[in-house]
Amino acid sequence: EPEVTQTPSHQVTQMGQEVILRCVPISNHLYFYWYRQILGQKVEFLVSFYNNEISEKSEIFDDQFSVERPDGSNFTLKIRSTKLEDSAMYFCASRPNSYNSPLHFGNGTRLTVT
Amino acid sequence: RKEVEQDPGPFNVPEGATVAFNCTYSNSASQSFFWYRQDCRKEPKLLMSVYSSGNEDGRFTAQLNRASQYISLLIRDSKLSDSATYLCVVNKGSGGSYIPTFGRGTSLIVHP
Repeated sequence: EPEVTQTPSHQVTQMGQEVILRCVPISNHLYFYWYRQILGQKVEFLVSFYNNEISEKSEIFDDQFSVERPDGSNFTLKIRSTKLEDSAMYFCASRPNSYNSPLHFGNGTRLTVT
Repeated sequence: RKEVEQDPGPFNVPEGATVAFNCTYSNSASQSFFWYRQDCRKEPKLLMSVYSSGNEDGRFTAQLNRASQYISLLIRDSKLSDSATYLCVVNKGSGGSYIPTFGRGTSLIVHP
């Protein structure tokens, strides 16, 4: 069964550094998402991406964050100038272009900012 | 009122028990509904979609009540392996505005 893959599984970075989280969505999916989950809290929407542009973004997704799909397969989340509170699990998800289709999630990247 | 609300639990039940979770949502325009399962520090995994007429998948039954804006999940004959957090997911948009919103989850612990 095709799956969403994310790398790295764990990223440790120092406060103020930039990180790039990578995702390879399922190949025939057209909608891509990033969610995050701070330890002990709920899964929160960050951004959705369709047709090479952002469709929707939450208030969490401020200028510190950016997404791109540079080569038609990878879907990346860049976090600039990381803060301690950016420490969380970051999940990539994708879904096909069919009505009310559910999201398929990757295994996540655990980001630890020290 | 939160968009998607769930009782966090934990629900602590013996093997073989029947357990039910409810979830309420605030936006009456919501269009699609799902239950996901999440194990500790893992990704959410789709358990089942929830259809208007209700649907069943083995030991799991999901119901939707649009008038009261809640969905439910019933687990029969609980197994130890059912121990997890169950996430209610509600979506109100379509196309590029399709943004599934997660509840905080209900924790289930099944003990021998």
